[in-house]
Amino acid sequence: ETGVTQTPRHLVMGMTNKKSLKCEQHLGHNAMYWYKQSAKKPLELMFVYNFKEQTENNSVPSRFSPECPNSSHLFLHLHTLQPEDSALYLCASSQGFGREQYFGPGTRLTVT
Amino acid sequence: TQLLEQSPQFLSIQEGENLTVYCNSSSVFSSLQWYRQEPGEGPVLLVTVVTGGEVKKLKRLTFQFGDARKDSSLHITAAQPGDTGLYLCAGAFNNDMRFGAGTRLTVKP
Repeated sequence: ETGVTQTPRHLVMGMTNKKSLKCEQHLGHNAMYWYKQSAKKPLELMFVYNFKEQTENNSVPSRFSPECPNSSHLFLHLHTLQPEDSALYLCASSQGFGREQYFGPGTRLTVT
Repeated sequence: TQLLEQSPQFLSIQEGENLTVYCNSSSVFSSLQWYRQEPGEGPVLLVTVVTGGEVKKLKRLTFQFGDARKDSSLHITAAQPGDTGLYLCAGAFNNDMRFGAGTRLTVKP
């Protein structure tokens, strides 16, 4: 138990669906991250929020839309995804950008 | 090319053996972190190294940060099946968090 929870753990969705991933951290951290982990590829940073402000968007397609309503919660809204978007989506938090990160267990997403 | 190169990519050893895995970069990092990830789970932080030449020990794991702060190594003594997993190094670079591709370690009983 790392203090970072993610729901759902598994998600199967069609290309026309809209779904959201949720992340919550109970560590009092001020930075939160979304990562994508595909088979045989390094972890890819998607979005960073520092003090609820988005500070990084690594050329992520607009079909992924992040939301950070407060410093403890982070969402990733998904719509019209492609099969190549199937991956493990990991949320992490840290006390300051670039510091030690604590990861959630991830959401295994399959796009059919 | 990746900013952080990890080697070897795969390593399979017998219980009780020693091993070293490497994380190399042409860039200087203010700090590097090591994580271990098990299947179906998120990475778990093992250690952070900050000072060039620093050595940190965590039970049977020894972490070293290169003098120039461009590389790091992880040495495991007397590996156990419970050490099996994906070992990742990571660092902050130009407002971006970069991870290596990892070393996938299997320790056979």
